Amino acid sequence: KQEVTQIPAALSVPEGENLVLNCSFTDSAIYNLQWFRQDPGKGLTSLLLIQSSQREQTSGRLNASLDKSSGRSTLYIAASQPGDSATYLCAVTSGSRLTFGEGTQLTVNP
Amino acid sequence: DARVTQTPRHKVTEMGQEVTMRCQPILGHNTVFWYRQTMMQGLELLAYFRNRAPLDDSGMPKDRFSAEMPDATLATLKIQPSEPRDSAVYFCASGLVIGTESTGELFFGEGSRLTVL
Repeated sequence: KQEVTQIPAALSVPEGENLVLNCSFTDSAIYNLQWFRQDPGKGLTSLLLIQSSQREQTSGRLNASLDKSSGRSTLYIAASQPGDSATYLCAVTSGSRLTFGEGTQLTVNP
Repeated sequence: DARVTQTPRHKVTEMGQEVTMRCQPILGHNTVFWYRQTMMQGLELLAYFRNRAPLDDSGMPKDRFSAEMPDATLATLKIQPSEPRDSAVYFCASGLVIGTESTGELFFGEGSRLTVL
């Protein structure tokens, strides 16, 4: 059974700081990994999708990497802004299931 | 502006009542997921449809929950009878399968917040 873990559970940083969120998964036989953002009371917004054949994806200030063999992914946020404050979740697709981590709650302080 | 639409956004009901939540997936998407989110359990997969056929509903309490796709533009999740422990936010998500057992980018609706008193 696939298990997804995100560390840290919560992170508070000053505005402008670069930061890294971590995601690990137990079964490396995945098809893809997706990073989401969730604002309070809202649904999940897709940020980046990395296929199993890829090693990284970039969108603006976000960069996600994938190391299938070690079962790890990182989400790098450059020059963080207060508007980046949200919960970030990673999810892996393996078999017919998409398994989510518990999320990292990020607070960027002005 | 393609998006997943869920109704109702909020529902308060009494224990024992029937609750039906609806989802309109993005046009052209052939996979639909129902998730439940609570503080304690996080995101739990309830059911998964591909081309309107249920592929995985092992996460759903069978005695009271049922999920269907009457057509490609509508997915429903029904709870009968509802219980206080069903209180949660229920999300619908849709995507496009690419290749065998591979799901492309997943798009979520805003969720239906259910409170059962």
